Amino acid sequence: SSELTQDPAVSVALGQTVTITCQGDSLESYFATWYQQKPRQAPAVVFYGHNKRPSGIPDRFSGSTSRNTASLTITGARAEDEADYYCSSRDTSGDHVIFGEGTKLTVL
Amino acid sequence: QVQLQESGPRLVKPSQTLSLTCSVSGGSITSGGYYWSWVRQHPGKGLEWIGHIYFSGTTNYNPALKSRLTISFDTSLNHFSLRLTSVTAADTAMYFCARGRGYSGYDVFDSWGQGTQVNVSS
Repeated sequence: SSELTQDPAVSVALGQTVTITCQGDSLESYFATWYQQKPRQAPAVVFYGHNKRPSGIPDRFSGSTSRNTASLTITGARAEDEADYYCSSRDTSGDHVIFGEGTKLTVL
Repeated sequence: QVQLQESGPRLVKPSQTLSLTCSVSGGSITSGGYYWSWVRQHPGKGLEWIGHIYFSGTTNYNPALKSRLTISFDTSLNHFSLRLTSVTAADTAMYFCARGRGYSGYDVFDSWGQGTQVNVSS
């Protein structure tokens, strides 16, 4: 399969926990990489591989994978976490990179 | 810290060729282990991987664009380029260049340009 499926929109109350999911056949072979994109900015990686976070990304961002579903969890969401979140992986052939359609996170 | 900067025409006429360059500073495009990528984003839409090039010259292209696409690099200028032929309005998008790295089981685009908006219109 060459698709990663994400919910179009998710909301969370300030300080609460939210999980954004990404589903696709390729996730049975590859880890998801998660990108955050704020308006008028380039994407930035927030979580990748097996439990890896770039320096500068707060530890309230965590990730996991189960079978064909990857999850990004934000524990104690803050106003600045409001953004679009994209998952990415290789497709099942391994030759191409694919992105999910993105999830718009609203922090209430 | 590596920095990337896209440049090229903002307006391209239908049926013509879109050419963009990504200038890399703070690091060499010959650095081992990395590949150099293009990603685009249609207005109000998600990210679309266009393709990438390794220092070896090996390229990988999005199958949907492959017949119109060439990605190349110039090591003397430390930049890489995208060339997309026969453009239509569907190629109107924000184009990003990015540095990628492949690991066992995952890839990461760890540095991105700010993006350049390209409009295809007569």
